[in-house]
Amino acid sequence: AQSVTQLDSHVSVSEGTPVLLRCNYSSSYSPSLFWYVQHPNKGLQLLLKYTSAATLVKGINGFEAEFKKSETSFHLTKPSAHMSDAAEYFCVVRLSGGYNKLIFGAGTRLAVHP
Amino acid sequence: KAGVTQTPRYLIKTRGQQVTLSCSPISGHRSVSWYQQTPGQGLQFLFEYFSETQRNKGNFPGRFSGRQFSNSRSEMNVSTLELGDSALYLCASSFGGQMNTEAFFGQGTRLTVV
Repeated sequence: AQSVTQLDSHVSVSEGTPVLLRCNYSSSYSPSLFWYVQHPNKGLQLLLKYTSAATLVKGINGFEAEFKKSETSFHLTKPSAHMSDAAEYFCVVRLSGGYNKLIFGAGTRLAVHP
Repeated sequence: KAGVTQTPRYLIKTRGQQVTLSCSPISGHRSVSWYQQTPGQGLQFLFEYFSETQRNKGNFPGRFSGRQFSNSRSEMNVSTLELGDSALYLCASSFGGQMNTEAFFGQGTRLTVV
């Protein structure tokens, strides 16, 4: 069965410091992996996706993630946090088989302090 | 290009009533998926429609149903509402069944059952 585990429910950083949001996945197949962000009272916005073309994936707003098969991880990073990054982040795996069923992690709430 | 549109944005219903939510996908997208988001259960997959056919279904009771029209617009219906159905319902639109096609989400419909 495919699943994702987000290792931290809350992460707090200071503005200008690096961000690390951790995600481990479980999949028998080569997975399709995504990171989404949700700001308060908003829908979900795609940050980046792993397409198997490159292990280091760059997304929007300076975020990037590295796919590590040996560690079954897909951690999200950003070199320098901005106040506007405060939101909830979801690591997502897509069900194999060509269907559009997404399996979401529990989410990590990122707080950014001045 | 217009995004995914969900209507209405907010709903208040009484226990025992039924409700219909609507989702208009991005033009050209043929896959529409529905998700329920609650603080306790997180984001859970309800069902997916592709070319008017339900392709996949999550673990929800039969009170939850949906359909898709020939223009790809989708509706979901919840009958005999229960207090636990209070949630944010999110619709996602995708081009098709390719593995790495990303899903675009609407703003959601906030349903409150009283």
